[in-house]
Amino acid sequence: DQQVKQNSPSLSVQEGRISILNCDYTNSMFDYFLWYKKYPAEGPTFLISISSIKDKNEDGRFTVFLNKSAKHLSLHIVPSQPGDSAVYFCAATPLPLGSARQLTFGSGTQLTVLP
Amino acid sequence: DSGVTQTPKHLITATGQRVTLRCSPRSGDLSVYWYQQSLDQGLQFLIQYYNGEERAKGNILERFSAQQFPDLHSELNLSSLELGDSALYFCASSPSGQMNTEAFFGQGTRLTVV
Repeated sequence: DQQVKQNSPSLSVQEGRISILNCDYTNSMFDYFLWYKKYPAEGPTFLISISSIKDKNEDGRFTVFLNKSAKHLSLHIVPSQPGDSAVYFCAATPLPLGSARQLTFGSGTQLTVLP
Repeated sequence: DSGVTQTPKHLITATGQRVTLRCSPRSGDLSVYWYQQSLDQGLQFLIQYYNGEERAKGNILERFSAQQFPDLHSELNLSSLELGDSALYFCASSPSGQMNTEAFFGQGTRLTVV
């Protein structure tokens, strides 16, 4: 049973446009959400996170939106750059943040930004 | 460079064999976490060690075991290997016992069982 789902395995976007990556979750106990980015032959790196007390968190070109009632979050990248081409993983955990056992990952979305 | 070093990068072995994957955490990090990523799957948490002691256990098979040594490096031992064990194995480390935004991942070991 996948508690965190990324239903789009891949996404292609033109450089300069907006990239929107989506993530759905089923566990209502999840209270904290993270996005990781992974380049080929590298490990995942933390990108941005959001707590359930917020509905938006912004960091430069990256914004994460959370819709708790729909159990849905999305990562917006504006403007998209070729260097953003990577696999993006969504992860979720109940609060308090900290237990590795409780960090549940989605299967990832491959983003390709076309020049 | 995350500062987390995993060796080897690639490993090909036959079914029934045993392999050892190694992880050196970032300097000063006390926690080491092991994750498995099978084809088209998310990362599955296997096990965590903190300062030499097992801290948390996830979906780790009985054929798999791990340990953390006094110098804080960790090894993941996989035995009686099956085709389904083929996956990317990631190690992550963090300064504390928490898997949070301060955790950094190594580049992974790709294991292929033939």
